[in-house]
Amino acid sequence: AQKITQTQPGMFVQEKEAVTLDCTYDTSDQSYGLFWYKQPSSGEMIFLIYQGSYDEQNATEGRYSLNFQKARKSANLVISASQLGDSAMYFCAMREGNSGYSTLTFGKGTMLLVSP
Amino acid sequence: ETGVTQTPRHLVMGMTNKKSLKCEQHLGHNAMYWYKQSAKKPLELMFVYSLEERVENNSVPSRFSPECPNSSHLFLHLHTLQPEDSALYLCASSQGPLTGELFFGEGSRLTVL
Repeated sequence: AQKITQTQPGMFVQEKEAVTLDCTYDTSDQSYGLFWYKQPSSGEMIFLIYQGSYDEQNATEGRYSLNFQKARKSANLVISASQLGDSAMYFCAMREGNSGYSTLTFGKGTMLLVSP
Repeated sequence: ETGVTQTPRHLVMGMTNKKSLKCEQHLGHNAMYWYKQSAKKPLELMFVYSLEERVENNSVPSRFSPECPNSSHLFLHLHTLQPEDSALYLCASSQGPLTGELFFGEGSRLTVL
């Protein structure tokens, strides 16, 4: 079974609008972390935002916020006021446990296209 | 300059060649990773080195051989590859358990003919 599910292969949004990218996860661990990364066409994976399983507040980083619903096991990324430069692949990922290193499990990604 | 640098950015090789991918991190991190990204598949973890010791090897074929000579450098030695090994190979580093954020390089695009 997939540990990270991103059901939207592609999303379209107009510039300046908000968009939500879906992510659901599956784990039996009590301690885990959820991440979102952006991958532009250059290939580099860029870290956007992190949510720990014990964090009570939803994480926010500038225009990015993570809508964390623990009971539903969902961690959707919300991008407010979309910009043309937001066009990229977006990956949700999860880290389980608390080892001294971070093996992340990634979803298949969502391609976001922002139009003028 | 990015914190994690990968060379070469593009590599084309025949199935009988031997080549190496190089990764260098300038962030003082203590763990380094190789991920494989194939089309329409999630990123696949290949190897993890923590404090220069290999701690994970996710059933990767022996034609891929990692090397971590020190905490700043990571290599992936390639030999007798197959066309299905064509992919983007991403190197990453992280510091401790903390949040677990990985810092990625721009990747090495490998094509096997």
